[in-house]
Amino acid sequence: LAKTTQPISMDSYEGQEVNITCSHNNIATNDYITWYQQFPSQGPRFIIQGYKTKVTNEVASLFIPADRKSSTLSLPRVSLSDTAVYYCLVGDGLNYGGATNKLIFGTGTLLAVQP
Amino acid sequence: EPEVTQTPSHQVTQMGQEVILRCVPISNHLYFYWYRQILGQKVEFLVSFYNNEISEKSEIFDDQFSVERPDGSNFTLKIRSTKLEDSAMYFCASSDATDISNQPQHFGDGTRLSIL
Repeated sequence: LAKTTQPISMDSYEGQEVNITCSHNNIATNDYITWYQQFPSQGPRFIIQGYKTKVTNEVASLFIPADRKSSTLSLPRVSLSDTAVYYCLVGDGLNYGGATNKLIFGTGTLLAVQP
Repeated sequence: EPEVTQTPSHQVTQMGQEVILRCVPISNHLYFYWYRQILGQKVEFLVSFYNNEISEKSEIFDDQFSVERPDGSNFTLKIRSTKLEDSAMYFCASSDATDISNQPQHFGDGTRLSIL
């Protein structure tokens, strides 16, 4: 599994757009990029996943440049409730019969949204 | 939206006692996982389970740990003789293997295990 590097923490204000960038220089051809969000005392919650270019859902957008060595999670107009730890994970999204897709979490980025 | 549910939310146990943590994965999912998170630390993989057997386990998952899918809906983690260092949040997750291009794992909200 490719190693990822992301900022330890970020600060923002309500209503702003927040972009969290993750580096994954050793990403493999089959690897997908997945972002999770975790609130205190809760399990990680899947936000978005992508392979290349741009992916958008109702919560966030994920921008992946052509070389795929980094990715940026974009949260539009954050609110206080978006304060959480955000994890970038890179791994093979395919399951080969009995093979698994264990997730290797780093320390994540603690996003603090202030009023 | 279907979700993974875990019980109990908090378990307090004396050191040396056995504990069973329970999970109900999302109903059509085929892959099941346990992770743990010691307070203030990273989320760590423990074990994955598919087709009624362990697919992969980490170094943490020693002989004191076992997993079972006793029926069609529950997935359990047993710790035979708990130690103080087993105190952590334990998260269950499941994923759908039918869509091989997009298989995010969905997590429950965890069981906080406190060993006294």
